[in-house]
Amino acid sequence: EDKVVQSPLSLVVHEGDTVTLNCSYEVTNFRSLLWYKQEKKAPTFLFMLTSSGIEKKSGRLSSILDKKELFSILNITATQTGDSAIYLCAVVTGTYKYIFGTGTRLKVLA
Amino acid sequence: GAGVSQSPSNKVTEKGKDVELRCDPISGHTALYWYRQSLGQGLEFLIYFQGNSAPDKSGLPSDRFSAERTGGSVSTLTIQRTQQEDSAVYLCASSSTRAGGPRDTQYFGPGTRLTVL
Repeated sequence: EDKVVQSPLSLVVHEGDTVTLNCSYEVTNFRSLLWYKQEKKAPTFLFMLTSSGIEKKSGRLSSILDKKELFSILNITATQTGDSAIYLCAVVTGTYKYIFGTGTRLKVLA
Repeated sequence: GAGVSQSPSNKVTEKGKDVELRCDPISGHTALYWYRQSLGQGLEFLIYFQGNSAPDKSGLPSDRFSAERTGGSVSTLTIQRTQQEDSAVYLCASSSTRAGGPRDTQYFGPGTRLTVL
């Protein structure tokens, strides 16, 4: 059965800390992996990863994929209170099915 | 339009009634996605359209759920004989390229909150 597992489930840090969120997966016919940020209702797309070892970067956020070990990490440096959200990881299969993890709830304290 | 729009924003219905949820994707976006998010739960993928066709319908939770897309634009998600467990926020997203492609970016609508009494 295809599955995506995220860890930790929740995380509380202080402003300025660096955090690493994990996403591991077991799917047949992997196509891509995506990261989203969900603050209220609608998730916001962050990154799409298709190739191993190539870091995607956007400001203080970065992500990398390891297709051999079947995982991805999302790094956030110099965290701010505005980074508080649920971070979702999803894997897209060959038939364009999106399988989501349950998310990591991040809270950044001032 | 400027973004993905969904209607209605809220829907309260009685158990056993049918409901229809609508999604208007960003103009020109060929890919359209439906998700469901129950209270405190993660996103559950329902179905994906590339143009008017859906390559994989196995994410739909039961045969009471159906979705269609016409003209490569508007999509409707229909739930027949609603049950209380159907209560959730139904999110729609669209993207300009084929799902899973290297330049794909999904844009989400505000969602429809469905409550089945």
